[in-house]
Amino acid sequence: DTGVSQDPRHKITKRGQNVTFRCDPISEHNRLYWYRQTLGQGPEFLTYFQNEAQLEKSRLLSDRFSAERPKGSFSTLEIQRTEQGDSAMYLCASSLGGGPNSPLHFGNGTRLTVT
Amino acid sequence: AQKVTQAQTEISVVEKEDVTLDCVYETRDTTYYLFWYKQPPSGELVFLIRRNSFDEQNEISGRYSWNFQKSTSSFNFTITASQVVDSAVYFCALSEAKIKAAGNKLTFGGGTRVLVKP
Repeated sequence: DTGVSQDPRHKITKRGQNVTFRCDPISEHNRLYWYRQTLGQGPEFLTYFQNEAQLEKSRLLSDRFSAERPKGSFSTLEIQRTEQGDSAMYLCASSLGGGPNSPLHFGNGTRLTVT
Repeated sequence: AQKVTQAQTEISVVEKEDVTLDCVYETRDTTYYLFWYKQPPSGELVFLIRRNSFDEQNEISGRYSWNFQKSTSSFNFTITASQVVDSAVYFCALSEAKIKAAGNKLTFGGGTRVLVKP
């Protein structure tokens, strides 16, 4: 169990640029989640995959955000035309099935700063 | 809609003191799950404990214990004999069980920062 891995750890970008983050879940975990955490707040749910299928998206996920999990393993989260309001920590988590009582295993996150 | 409130934003204690973190939640569901997570300075959220809405028995696990009271919608968490390594932000979270296959979509509280001084 190597844990959930996220890359990069930090990303600084200028407003209007596109950014892409990667998440590698714990192997054999079929569920993968993206959350966003702004400074001093708790994480907020963005989207969730079961294997390669994206099953739910939050209203927080505007049209500029897109997430994929093409082979049911790693996932990418892309933000197009970044805005200063996108500055936050983006957290990835995975779980091995089990539904709403399954603990999530989180990565260290990618901290995005939009200047 | 679900909501989780952690009224304490920061608690400072001296090592070996007990720390109790408050959590109040709102949900319309009769079946739900409650969690506590710890977020140390490294940023990774670490799962601590879980409780389902049908089990109000309070338990102790090592230095951690919790008090779940459905009547007051509270799920408080206590660290006994705190240590410096307990310094972190602690989050209470709630997930509903309306659809079992819906995955674990957590609603988090705002967090309580715990500072344990030597």
